[in-house]
Amino acid sequence: SYELTQPPSVSVSPGQTASIPCSGDELGNKYVFWYQQKPGQSPVLAIYQDTKRPSGIPERFSGSNSGNTATLTISGTQAMDEADYYCQAWDTNSVVVGGGTKLTVL
Amino acid sequence: QVQLVQSGAEVKKPGASVKVSCKASYYTFTSYGVSWVRQAPGQGLEWMGWISTQNGNTIYAQSLQGRVTMTTDTSTRTAYMELRSLTSDDTAVYYCARDRSDLATYHYFDYWGQGTLVTVSS
Repeated sequence: SYELTQPPSVSVSPGQTASIPCSGDELGNKYVFWYQQKPGQSPVLAIYQDTKRPSGIPERFSGSNSGNTATLTISGTQAMDEADYYCQAWDTNSVVVGGGTKLTVL
Repeated sequence: QVQLVQSGAEVKKPGASVKVSCKASYYTFTSYGVSWVRQAPGQGLEWMGWISTQNGNTIYAQSLQGRVTMTTDTSTRTAYMELRSLTSDDTAVYYCARDRSDLATYHYFDYWGQGTLVTVSS
């Protein structure tokens, strides 16, 4: 079955750029979606179809997808961006979700 | 504003079944499918399956085949997820989500319910 791999944790200093990778076999041939989840809250869609931002998501959030890796990038990271981030794709009649990355802003 | 309001927390004994509801508001219910996603304590997200609100077609995660049933009632704009033969491994927060799909190359979730905690304990 298809798998998406994310690092368990990423750290970034406030104001710097955070990059969260998500890898999968020929992932660039699929659409990738990203969700942000803060403690005790439901997930929120952050990026859809690789690069698009839903309304309400700050411009500092962006996405890319090529080859075997999709990346969520947060420019000028703020303390409020500290959260778990999950990548997601669709493969052979199944939604596949990465294991999640805890972003720490310190 | 799109809302998905789920039923309240449940405590079940091993071997029992649970049925969680998800009532949709402020959008055309039959224009979008519904997916269910669960999250065990301290763990990541696990997709459980999808149901079409137009015709009731379903796709279930292989790991749950035979134990899960998803249904909808279009008259009340409500989706349901029933999980049978519960074990402690099914203890989790269960989310419904509005599913956007082209039915071929992607599914994704643009609105989520507030979550329903299901605890399985003897």
